[in-house]
Amino acid sequence: DTAVSQTPKYLVTQMGNDKSIKCEQNLGHDTMYWYKQDSKKFLKIMFSYNNKELIINETVPNRFSPKSPDKAHLNLHINSLELGDSAVYFCASSQPGGQQETQYFGPGTRLLVL
Amino acid sequence: GEDVEQSLFLSVREGDSSVINCTYTDSSSTYLYWYKQEPGAGLQLLTYIFSNMDMKQDQRLTVLLNKKDKHLSLRIADTQTGDSAIYFCAGGGNTGKLIFGQGTTLQVKP
Repeated sequence: DTAVSQTPKYLVTQMGNDKSIKCEQNLGHDTMYWYKQDSKKFLKIMFSYNNKELIINETVPNRFSPKSPDKAHLNLHINSLELGDSAVYFCASSQPGGQQETQYFGPGTRLLVL
Repeated sequence: GEDVEQSLFLSVREGDSSVINCTYTDSSSTYLYWYKQEPGAGLQLLTYIFSNMDMKQDQRLTVLLNKKDKHLSLRIADTQTGDSAIYFCAGGGNTGKLIFGQGTTLQVKP
């Protein structure tokens, strides 16, 4: 009964490949997010979707394309992977307009580009 | 632009209190949050405080907010070795965008 789940947990791939990370939440939330955590543990938002519509896009290279098939899923597809894409990617969800709009995070996907 | 800053490292002895500090620039943050990240794990919400509150206590955790100085702190009473982790403060308004600090690594020595 995991609230926010991500697959895969680990992803090791070669430069230039295309890969996808999946995220699902069973909290009934309307909003989902992708964050990137770099090697220095700095966390930065990449995208946010509300009810399948993109609402935040933080100057992320267009090699990154989020896709939300329904409000419980937000997948992240990355084309032409580069070394600098190596990071931990966290998915999160929240219910806007709720009392504290808390974001609940998934366990992370550790991406290593060789 | 929006910025959240934290000290990077704190070391305490088991049983002592820990105080982790955070300063922020965006005064429009409606809520301020503390998240905990254990090694190799995701972020776990510890507590949050609404911007019109000064203090919130939740068992061993006390959050203090000084809006005038834009300063937020997290006090952990009777710190245990299981509290060793990275602690992130984050501010967010009604845009849904959370701005995180760099994280404070808390080391608890037995």
